[in-house]
Amino acid sequence: NAGVTQTPKFRVLKTGQSMTLLCAQDMNHEYMYWYRQDPGMGLRLIHYSVGEGTTAKGEVPDGYNVSRLKKQNFLLGLESAAPSQTSVYFCASSEVSANTGELFFGEGSRLTVL
Amino acid sequence: AQTVTQSQPEMSVQEAETVTLSCTYDTSESDYYLFWYKQPPSRQMILVIRQEAYKQQNATENRFSVNFQKAAKSFSLKISDSQLGDAAMYFCAYRTLNSGYALNFGKGTSLLVTP
Repeated sequence: NAGVTQTPKFRVLKTGQSMTLLCAQDMNHEYMYWYRQDPGMGLRLIHYSVGEGTTAKGEVPDGYNVSRLKKQNFLLGLESAAPSQTSVYFCASSEVSANTGELFFGEGSRLTVL
Repeated sequence: AQTVTQSQPEMSVQEAETVTLSCTYDTSESDYYLFWYKQPPSRQMILVIRQEAYKQQNATENRFSVNFQKAAKSFSLKISDSQLGDAAMYFCAYRTLNSGYALNFGKGTSLLVTP
């Protein structure tokens, strides 16, 4: 089972360049999330989506945009990358029902902005 | 907003011994979920254990158990018979009813297991 897949796994950008991280899940989950992880900071929520065609801001949304055109995909975009966006990015998904509450995570994408 | 605090940036335990990782949280909600996730060097986020707030009984999963004190808003993780493979970052997390049921994470505790 693929679960949650993120591409690319690694990327190096120059300041001002743009890029898109792709998250794909094959579990038919309604909810999807993008987090960033920085040393000593834990995981912080960037944006999330509660269904196809919907997105909302999380704790640290500045400098990022997202889209959920298809239920299985959640894209995270950086229009003009900055060194402060050097981080490891995690995508996650979960079911609508709160009975389990578990989030399923991708393997992470390490982004370096020079 | 809910906050999750892990006061121990690093912990160390000898193989076969027991270690307890601390976590406190702040919330005004009465029903919620709490989690412990493990992140080994591979970076993968792995669910260790989950606790529903309405359940008084502490959750257990093999060598992992929690001490859930709802009134004190405390949720500690106990690892028994520690193994070398337990070495990892451990994150405590609270599932909020806001933000699409996203998880709020603590800053993590790095666990070192020595032979």
